[in-house]
Amino acid sequence: EVQLVESGGGLVKPGGSLRLSCAAAGFTFSRYTMTWVRQAPGKGLEWVSSITGGSGDLFYADSVRGRFTISRDNAENSLHLQMNSLRAEDTAVYYCAKYTWASTVKAGVDSWGQGTLVTVSS
Amino acid sequence: DIQLTQSPSFLSASIGDRVTITCRASQDISTYLAWYQQKPGKAPKLLIYAASTLQSGVPSRFSGSGSGTEFTLTINSLQPEDFATYCCQQLYIYPLTFGGGTKVEIK
Repeated sequence: EVQLVESGGGLVKPGGSLRLSCAAAGFTFSRYTMTWVRQAPGKGLEWVSSITGGSGDLFYADSVRGRFTISRDNAENSLHLQMNSLRAEDTAVYYCAKYTWASTVKAGVDSWGQGTLVTVSS
Repeated sequence: DIQLTQSPSFLSASIGDRVTITCRASQDISTYLAWYQQKPGKAPKLLIYAASTLQSGVPSRFSGSGSGTEFTLTINSLQPEDFATYCCQQLYIYPLTFGGGTKVEIK
């Protein structure tokens, strides 16, 4: 059974930093592109960033590019999101998620973590 | 970036109704579209991918269709557990954008 467990969320002041982590289990982590998706309170889903299995390709939403960095440790089966220069509009539940197929992202995301709340406020 | 516009944003329906939700893409995305269901306080659940392929374990009353720029999610015979928010996502090109969501509530 696939398990994705996020950690690292919390309250941070504007301009501050946080590092989210996601511990993965139940699948061959290194084969899959992984992604972070966020959801602001009462709002819809927003794709944030993705990283291919070998970390060769990184993708970011315009809203976070230059401030957030996605990374992974395939030896530890972990995914990370370093978030710097945080803004109030970054307040959201952040989900770690796995794409359905190892070979492509085209089949969507079939596994999600429980989410971790990031609150950016003074 | 590809924009996805869902309609309606809110829908009131009764048990047993047939419900149709539309997702329109700002450019051709072939069939690279997925549909998700999300309940309050929970992570989304994949229902359909490649526009019309039912994810394993999803009831057959859910179906998807479309290609290019117009897609639909249909729920036949709405059940109590189907009251939720539904969202589309394009997987054609990064950034992998989501639609704004459609909340299905009990009439």
